Amino acid sequence: DAKTTQPPSMDCAEGRAANLPCNHSTISGNEYVYWYRQIHSQGPQYIIHGLKNNETNEMASLIITEDRKSSTLILPHATLRDTAVYYCIVSAPQGGSEKLVFGKGMKLTVNP
Amino acid sequence: GAGVSQSPSNKVTEKGKDVELRCDPISGHTALYWYRQSLGQGLEFLIYFQGNSAPDKSGLPSDRFSAERTGGSVSTLTIQRTQQEDSAVYLCASSFYRETYEQYFGPGTRLTVT
Repeated sequence: DAKTTQPPSMDCAEGRAANLPCNHSTISGNEYVYWYRQIHSQGPQYIIHGLKNNETNEMASLIITEDRKSSTLILPHATLRDTAVYYCIVSAPQGGSEKLVFGKGMKLTVNP
Repeated sequence: GAGVSQSPSNKVTEKGKDVELRCDPISGHTALYWYRQSLGQGLEFLIYFQGNSAPDKSGLPSDRFSAERTGGSVSTLTIQRTQQEDSAVYLCASSFYRETYEQYFGPGTRLTVT
């Protein structure tokens, strides 16, 4: 079962920041927070991951609360191509195995 | 370089037939995963290969499902005696062992069992 809770959908205006929330109140100390997205009819795409500290890469920023029970993925300037289902996942390496458990995710629609 | 490729992209089969789905991972990736995604659902983990280690088969839904990975590269997922509930998109992913958080997914094979 997925260990995360996300709203089912969200709308965002093109060019604005999209803030995607995720709750993971039962996260364990060795579990990372991962974000993937799936654009229609494509395989999922890795976005970012983090453990405790906030992280930023060329795609997005990840803000993790101090208690690690929730996080927010930020797309700073959303474009129409960012319309996708976004998955927040928590997982810990198990001898090198990362069995990602995808929930239903959150559908982000970026509107012109 | 080339990404993960899967074939066929679409497969329609009759109930009871066997099917084979193929995955070509990114060259040099030691870890390979199979997932499936039923209509409107999230991804379901099926099986994981890492180098020469025994595969993690904990996600396979029944003994009709099996997978092989030959030469540490190409993998084949076989479904025997297909059932209608096997209809789904089957996705393959690969990653570097030390960077397993970043799994690269293929486009998937859409399987329809009639």
